[in-house]
Amino acid sequence: EVQLVESGGGLVKPGGSLRLSCAASGFTFSSYSMNWVRQAPGKGLEWVSSISSSSSYIYYADSVKGRFTISRDNAKNSLYLQMNSLRAEDTAVYYCARKWFGESYYFDYWGQGTLVTVSS
Amino acid sequence: DIQMTQSPSSVSASVGDRVTITCRASQGISSWLAWYQQKPGKAPKLLIYAASSLQSGVPSRFSGSGSGTDFTLTISSLQPEDFATYYCQQANSFPGLTFGGGTKVEIK
Repeated sequence: EVQLVESGGGLVKPGGSLRLSCAASGFTFSSYSMNWVRQAPGKGLEWVSSISSSSSYIYYADSVKGRFTISRDNAKNSLYLQMNSLRAEDTAVYYCARKWFGESYYFDYWGQGTLVTVSS
Repeated sequence: DIQMTQSPSSVSASVGDRVTITCRASQGISSWLAWYQQKPGKAPKLLIYAASSLQSGVPSRFSGSGSGTDFTLTISSLQPEDFATYYCQQANSFPGLTFGGGTKVEIK
């Protein structure tokens, strides 16, 4: 069974930093591109960042470019999101999501999410 | 970025009703579209990909259609477990993946 379990969320002050983790199991983690998608309270979904299976290709939404860094450790079956210079508008539930096996960019498995609150 | 507009933003329906949700892209996206279902406090679940292909394990009462800029998700006979929020997502433009604003299906 595919499982994605996020951790690392919490309350942080504006300008602060936080590192999110996603532990993957039930599939060959090193074969899949992985992603972070966020959802502000009561709002819709926003794609944040993607990383290819071997970390060769990394992409960010304009809203987080230069502040967030995605990474992965295939030996540990883990995905990470380092978030710096956090702003109030970064407050959201952050989901780890697996890219579907096919060519197109769909998300076939999601974690339960971890809440990040940026507030003074 | 490609903008995705869903309508309606909410719909009230009864068990057994046929429900149709639409999603419009700001530019043509061929058939690169997915639909997700999200229940309160839960992660989204992939229902439909490539506009009309049913994800494994998803009941056949869900169907998708469309191409280019206009897409629909249809629930042929609404079941109690279908009350949720539904999102479309375009996969034509990457990076720059975008979702629709969501459609909440509520109990009438």
